[in-house]
Amino acid sequence: AQSVTQLGSHVSVSEGALVLLRCNYSSSVPPYLFWYVQYPNQGLQLLLKYTSAATLVKGINGFEAEFKKSETSFHLTKPSAHMSDAAEYFCAVSDDMIKAAGNKLTFGGGTRVLVKP
Amino acid sequence: DAGVTQSPTHLIKTRGQQVTLRCSPKSGHDTVSWYQQALGQGPQFIFQYYEEEERQRGNFPDRFSGHQFPNYSSELNVNALLLGDSALYLCASSWGTGTMNTEAFFGQGTRLTVV
Repeated sequence: AQSVTQLGSHVSVSEGALVLLRCNYSSSVPPYLFWYVQYPNQGLQLLLKYTSAATLVKGINGFEAEFKKSETSFHLTKPSAHMSDAAEYFCAVSDDMIKAAGNKLTFGGGTRVLVKP
Repeated sequence: DAGVTQSPTHLIKTRGQQVTLRCSPKSGHDTVSWYQQALGQGPQFIFQYYEEEERQRGNFPDRFSGHQFPNYSSELNVNALLLGDSALYLCASSWGTGTMNTEAFFGQGTRLTVV
């Protein structure tokens, strides 16, 4: 069975500081990994995805994530936080992108980011 | 492009009642997945519909059922509502032909409150 663990349910950063959100996964097969962002009272928006190509993945809004198989990690970073980055972030894993597009996703518990001016 | 639309946006029901939530997928998408997001938690997969059939199902009781129509829109039905069913219900659509490297698009969700 797959699982995702996000370390830290809340993260507080100053505007302009580095944002680092941690994600570790467990999967019996090569995983496909995703980061989503959720703004208040909204659905999920895809930030970036890893699908076995480059291990360093660049996404929207200046975010990027690095897949490290040896550490079973897929941490999300952004060099300089903006006030608009305040939201909840979810890491997710899927083990079967071959069978169908948009396959079942297993999500972590989420990390809420607070950006201080 | 309207994206994924869900209705209603908010709903209040009484324990024991039944509820139906609706989802229209993004234009060109034929696969619909439903997720339950309890307060303070990540979304949990309920089930997925493709070609009007349930293709995958998560760990949810039979009280949760669904349907997909020929126009690819979908309904989620929950019977005998419990207080614990209170959550944000998210619909995601995608193009289910087996092509890799595609994305699921999420709607804004339906907030269900059971009292």
